[in-house]
Amino acid sequence: ETGVTQSPTHLIKTRGQQVTLRCSSQSGHNTVSWYQQALGQGPQFIFQYYREEENGRGNFPPRFSGLQFPNYSSELNVNALELDDSALYLCASSQLPGRGEQYFGPGTRLTVT
Amino acid sequence: DQQVKQNSPSLSVQEGRISILNCDYTNSMFDYFLWYKKYPAEGPTFLISISSIKDKNEDGRFTVFLNKSAKHLSLHIVPSQPGDSAVYFCAADEISNFGNEKLTFGTGTRLTIIP
Repeated sequence: ETGVTQSPTHLIKTRGQQVTLRCSSQSGHNTVSWYQQALGQGPQFIFQYYREEENGRGNFPPRFSGLQFPNYSSELNVNALELDDSALYLCASSQLPGRGEQYFGPGTRLTVT
Repeated sequence: DQQVKQNSPSLSVQEGRISILNCDYTNSMFDYFLWYKKYPAEGPTFLISISSIKDKNEDGRFTVFLNKSAKHLSLHIVPSQPGDSAVYFCAADEISNFGNEKLTFGTGTRLTIIP
C-alpha cells in the first residue's frame, strides 16, 4: 500500500509569482484535502476534492485553487503569492463516503520572499 | 476565532508515567474528534478518534476521553515511551461536514518523554 506523497519537498518563490504543489493520494483513496500549516499553528483546511470536484472550502481566497485528476492525484495552485503564504502545505487523502481518517503526506515547505 | 484549543504548548513526562494531553472546543456542531501525532519533517499521523456518541475510546496505550458538556477531550498515553515524543494535534469535524471532512485543528502540544 503506497502512502501519500507530495512534491516538491521545499520551494522558494518571490512575491507575486505563482506556484503549483502536487500530491499523490494513498492507493484506494478517492478524496484529497489540502491544509496550510503556518509556523506554530495547527493545519488549516484549504479545500477538499472528491471525484474531481471541489467538495468544500475553508476561508482562503480564490487565488488558492486546485485540481483532482482521474487517478485521484491532486494539485494546489496559488497565484499572486504573498509573504503570508509562507507555510507548510499538507495534503491528506481519505475514502468517501464515510467518516474515515485522513492520511497526510510529509508536506511541501513554501517560502515566499 | 480558535474553535479547537490546546492550551498547553508543551508537556514533559517521565518514561513509564501517564501523559495527559488536553483539548477544548467551542463549536457545538463538532461530533467527531481525532488525535494526530507529528514528528519533524513528517506529516501528521492518525492516532485515535472518538464519536460524540461515546465518552471513551481505547486503542492499546492510547485512550481518548470526551466530555461533551464541558466541550473537552483528553488523550491519555500509558505507559509513556520515548518514541511518543512528538507534537500532538487535536482535530474536530462537524455534522454538517459528513461526506465532506473539513478538520479543524488545534495548535498542538509538544510532548517530551524523559528517559
